[in-house]
Parts: sequence; structure tokens; C-alpha cells
Amino acid sequence: AQSVTQLDSHVSVSEGTPVLLRCNYSSSYSPSLFWYVQHPNKGLQLLLKYTSAATLVKGINGFEAEFKKSETSFHLTKPSAHMSDAAEYFCVVSSYGQNFVFGPGTRLSVLP
Amino acid sequence: DAGITQSPRYKITETGRQVTLMCHQTWSHSYMFWYRQDLGHGLRLIYYSAAADITDKGEVPDGYVVSRSKTENFPLTLESATRSQTSVYFCASSETGNYNEQFFGPGTRLTVL
Repeated sequence: AQSVTQLDSHVSVSEGTPVLLRCNYSSSYSPSLFWYVQHPNKGLQLLLKYTSAATLVKGINGFEAEFKKSETSFHLTKPSAHMSDAAEYFCVVSSYGQNFVFGPGTRLSVLP
Repeated sequence: DAGITQSPRYKITETGRQVTLMCHQTWSHSYMFWYRQDLGHGLRLIYYSAAADITDKGEVPDGYVVSRSKTENFPLTLESATRSQTSVYFCASSETGNYNEQFFGPGTRLTVL
């Protein structure tokens, strides 16, 4: 069985400060992990993905995530938040032969 | 333009009515998916399809029917809509399988009165 926990339902940061969105996963198989972003009233866009290559994954818009198997974590970070980063972020786990399992989401607010 | 489209974008219907949500993709991806998004649940898989004429249930299939006669289309039908099916519905597609990147449509917001 697979599951995803996003430890914060809402994160608020000031513009220009670092962003940390936390994700822990459970998977019986070697996982693929994804972060998707959803801006208000929009579809989901892929930020980055881990598929058993490098453990530090760089994505679009300055985001990156590190796969830590020992901690079963895949936290999303960005050095400096921008107003346009305000959105809902979803962590997703999957593996070969298994469907996507989404976390409940973290809403990121960016204050001026 | 290439991509994945959904129609209608907004729909209001009444309890007991049949509703069909359309999904069309231009990439010729083998896999297609239907999800529903509800507050606090993230996205939950309703049905998916690995190829034309091959469909399978996801996590929450009750009350829904799908078909896939052509690779590019994957309609979702609510045979007798209920208020609990009020949700935002997303269609997605993937080239190589349900463990790799999925591309999402813009969503359909369905309200059942």
C-alpha cells in the first residue's frame, strides 16, 4: 500500500524568504515521487519528479526536492519565495504497477 | 493546439440526472485517468484506462461509468448524479504508465443540486 502525508495544510512565508513544504511517503515498492502545483482555478502542473536517479531533484521556477529513503521524505524547497508561488502544492507517490496517490495538499501563502 | 482539454468547464445539474464529462488529448498517450478533487482529500482516482477499450477502477469508482473507444477520448458519465458527486473533476494522461508523469486538464467544476 502507498500513502502520502503532507505535514502542513497551510504554510505562510514572506516574499524573499525560503520555502519548505514537507512530504513523507509510504510505499512497499521503489517509489516514484512528484510535486505538482495548482494555482487557483487551474489544473495541476508538474514541478519536479524523482524516478530513482539523482536524489536531489531540480524543478521549474527554482524549486527543488531531496529524496531521503532513510527518512521516507521528499520535502520541497525554494531559496526565495515569490508572490507568484502562492498556490496549492501536492506531493504524489507512485511505483511500477501502482496508481498515483496524492497527499491532501499544502496551501502556500506569500506575504508582501 | 496540442494538449488535454475538458468540457464543459462548469456544470450544474440536478439529483438523478445523467451527466457526461468529456476529456480529449492530442498526444496519443496510452494512459488516461479521471480524478475528483475534494477539500482535504487531494485528488482521488475514479477510473483509468491503459489503452482503448481497456479500463479499470480506481479508489472511488461507485456511481461512475467510463468508456474509451478511441485513444484520444475518455468520457466520464455519472449515471444518476447525487449531491456527494459535487466536486472538481480532472482528467489526466500519461505516455508510459501510471507510475510516470501525468499531464492534467483544466478541470470541470460540477455542482449537483
